[in-house]
Amino acid sequence: AQTVTQSQPEMSVQEAETVTLSCTYDTSESDYYLFWYKQPPSRQMILVIRQEAYKQQNATENRFSVNFQKAAKSFSLKISDSQLGDAAMYFCAYRSGQTSGSRLTFGEGTQLTVNP
Amino acid sequence: EAGVTQFPSHSVIEKGQTVTLRCDPISGHDNLYWYRRVMGKEIKFLLHFVKESKQDESGMPNNRFLAERTGGTYSTLKVQPAELEDSGVYFCASSWGQGRYGYTFGSGTRLTVV
Repeated sequence: AQTVTQSQPEMSVQEAETVTLSCTYDTSESDYYLFWYKQPPSRQMILVIRQEAYKQQNATENRFSVNFQKAAKSFSLKISDSQLGDAAMYFCAYRSGQTSGSRLTFGEGTQLTVNP
Repeated sequence: EAGVTQFPSHSVIEKGQTVTLRCDPISGHDNLYWYRRVMGKEIKFLLHFVKESKQDESGMPNNRFLAERTGGTYSTLKVQPAELEDSGVYFCASSWGQGRYGYTFGSGTRLTVV
């Protein structure tokens, strides 16, 4: 079974600075998808960024980018120029590449605080 | 388009009572998922519907939990009778196709069993 680990329960960053959230996973599969989701307080989870395992290029979405290290099974999220609205719980998630494996496996989450 | 809607947003019930959670997915999304986050722990998969059929219910904790998706539209998750350990946040998500491009989540239902 796959597992996802987020080793940082809490992180903080100063507004306009850069922060990196860590995520590692364990799998024996070669085809899979990785996601970062953001959940602001009392609001729905929003997809931040997505990475396909067979693509070596790291995904980027505006201020959000990932460092995907397939051999190390690491999938960290970098937030540049942090904004107050980035404050949220961030979840790393794994999805098998198999057709029958569409469920997500989540890490425990990292609570990000952005200080003005 | 409207997002995934869950209600109630909060529910407080006594141990032994019954609670029914509802999820309205995005129109046209055949795939619907239920997840649960117990306080401080990771979000765990409960089950997956494709239209009205249960594709995977391996995450359902026990037979006190019953999920339905009538007509392949909205879904309900009933807990009967509720126990203290059922407290947590229940999330619903839907996707077009099998979710390779991501899933749309609802805001969750916070269930407290006292």
